[in-house]
Amino acid sequence: QQQVKQSPQSLIVQKGGIPIINCAYENTAFDYFPWYQQFPGKGPALLIAIRPDVSEKKEGRFTISFNKSAKQFSLHIMDSQPGDSATYFCAATLLETSGSRLTFGEGTQLTVNP
Amino acid sequence: DAGITQSPRHKVTETGTPVTLRCHQTENHRYMYWYRQDPGHGLRLIHYSYGVKDTDKGEVSDGYSVSRSKTEDFLLTLESATSSQTSVYFCAIRGSINEKLFFGSGTQLSVL
Repeated sequence: QQQVKQSPQSLIVQKGGIPIINCAYENTAFDYFPWYQQFPGKGPALLIAIRPDVSEKKEGRFTISFNKSAKQFSLHIMDSQPGDSATYFCAATLLETSGSRLTFGEGTQLTVNP
Repeated sequence: DAGITQSPRHKVTETGTPVTLRCHQTENHRYMYWYRQDPGHGLRLIHYSYGVKDTDKGEVSDGYSVSRSKTEDFLLTLESATSSQTSVYFCAIRGSINEKLFFGSGTQLSVL
């Protein structure tokens, strides 16, 4: 059962563009929504995360937009650079239960062309 | 990678053989997790541990067992490997449930 659906599967943008990756979740009890970035041959690394009590969070060029009523959240990368080329995963969990197990989306392979 | 070492990094094995993957951490973190990563499926939780000798199943635990006899080591065992278990396996650790999840560099397992 896939509780977090992510789209698109792959995305190609030009340098300076604003790629947007979307995720939808089913479990309304989820209260923590992180995004992970993964480079080839490496493990995923936490990029940015949001709690459902805010609608937006920015860290540098990365922004999460959160829509609680629609059960959706998205990652925006401002002024994208070739170094941002990676696979991005959204995830969700209910903290403080069952080891805070993360449920991941399917992943989006982002390519930023020079 | 936040004091996490996975071994081996690569392994090729035959169907029906037992395989053990090791995750070793130097952070003294309480929580440890095993995920598998497959194209189109993202990362899926196999098993996790919330302390020495305390483990629980994830969403894809069939065919896998784990053990944690020491805080620093979390072992994942495939009792009789199948081709469907060909995957990249990631170990992850967390100090407390409110802290960041850190991943190791992964183990590429091929079952022929």
